[in-house]
Amino acid sequence: GENVEQHPSTLSVQEGDSAVIKCTYSDSASNYFPWYKQELGKRPQLIIDIRSNVGEKKDQRIAVTLNKTAKHFSLHITETQPEDSAVYFCAAARGTSYGKLTFGQGTILTVHP
Amino acid sequence: NAGVTQTPKFQVLKTGQSMTLQCAQDMNHEYMSWYRQDPGMGLRLIHYSVGAGITDQGEVPNGYNVSRSTTEDFPLRLLSAAPSQTSVYFCASSPPGGNQPQHFGDGTRLSIL
Repeated sequence: GENVEQHPSTLSVQEGDSAVIKCTYSDSASNYFPWYKQELGKRPQLIIDIRSNVGEKKDQRIAVTLNKTAKHFSLHITETQPEDSAVYFCAAARGTSYGKLTFGQGTILTVHP
Repeated sequence: NAGVTQTPKFQVLKTGQSMTLQCAQDMNHEYMSWYRQDPGMGLRLIHYSVGAGITDQGEVPNGYNVSRSTTEDFPLRLLSAAPSQTSVYFCASSPPGGNQPQHFGDGTRLSIL
């Protein structure tokens, strides 16, 4: 089955800096890669996703890049703000898996004012 | 439109007891999934369903049963609770078409003594 590795497990940055979280996956058939943000005691919420037919996607301060050859994808947050502090999860799924997401272990992001 | 509704929000059980975690969605989503979230391990798929009457096992199905008699409901049953099943349980749903964003419920925090 699929295996998703996520690094780093914790990330501490100063407000205004950029943050980068990286994930690798094992199943070359995976073609859907969402990122979720989870605040303490809350549900995971989708912040951005990318499909394997594109290499990069941006949404304001958030961007995701995908390298299918190397089987890794990354989340980039620019101009970080204290409200970006949360746990971030990457995930991967195959084209016919219909909601069978394999998650990474999570990254605790702390943005210091 | 309530989205994905999980009940109860909190539950304490004794070892050997059984219970059902409820999940309902009002978005007419065909695909529904159950995940458990343990510290430092991200979310792991327990069972999933691609439509009424169809269910399948995920990564960690042992000790759990599911059924899908309607599109709206996807209950998760613990047959004989064990301390290892202490976790936060999330239900999620997504529309058909493959690789659509999953919508998560607020979770059920379950403790087994």
